[in-house]
Amino acid sequence: SQTIHQWPATLVQPVGSPLSLECTVEGTSNPNLYWYRQAAGRGLQLLFYSVGIGQISSEVPQNLSASRPQDRQFILSSKKLLLSDSGFYLCAWSLGGTAYEQYFGPGTRLTVT
Amino acid sequence: AQTVTQSQPEMSVQEAETVTLSCTYDTSESDYYLFWYKQPPSRQMILVIRQEAYKQQNATENRFSVNFQKAAKSFSLKISDSQLGDAAMYFCAGVSYNQGGKLIFGQGTELSVKP
Repeated sequence: SQTIHQWPATLVQPVGSPLSLECTVEGTSNPNLYWYRQAAGRGLQLLFYSVGIGQISSEVPQNLSASRPQDRQFILSSKKLLLSDSGFYLCAWSLGGTAYEQYFGPGTRLTVT
Repeated sequence: AQTVTQSQPEMSVQEAETVTLSCTYDTSESDYYLFWYKQPPSRQMILVIRQEAYKQQNATENRFSVNFQKAAKSFSLKISDSQLGDAAMYFCAGVSYNQGGKLIFGQGTELSVKP
């Protein structure tokens, strides 16, 4: 069966510091991968998605970037965090094709101080 | 463009009773898929149920069922025999066939279950 991991679970970082959040998927090959941000416990905002290694699409211009160095690894980064980057970050995967349902990781709660 | 609207920010149900959460999915596409996700206090998103637009039969998963009215763009979730563990935020989401698998989420409905 497939499993998705995210770490760290929580993170407190000062403004201007770098960021690296990691997401890995087990039990499947060549998944579609997604990064979302959720603010104030409400709707999810899609940040990035990837259909393959090195293929990243950005949905929202922002202070963040994403990379996919390996088939089942997806990384969210920032060189300098802003206060507005605080939120709950969720990684998700799907099989792609017409299998549109996405399966989510446990999330990372980021607080920028 | 697609939009997902959940007009009920909060709902409440008595344990063992039935509750219906509303959602509308507005799209000009004919092929699309709809989902309901549950987000408990742990905040991990859990897939509850999925519905393909081309299917006339409404999806059912145990105590969860949907009422999909394509012409009205309505996609409601019915929870029968509500349990305390059903208390969570529920999100409706949709994706059109040619949108690269990108889900569009509604703003959520917070469901509380009273013992």
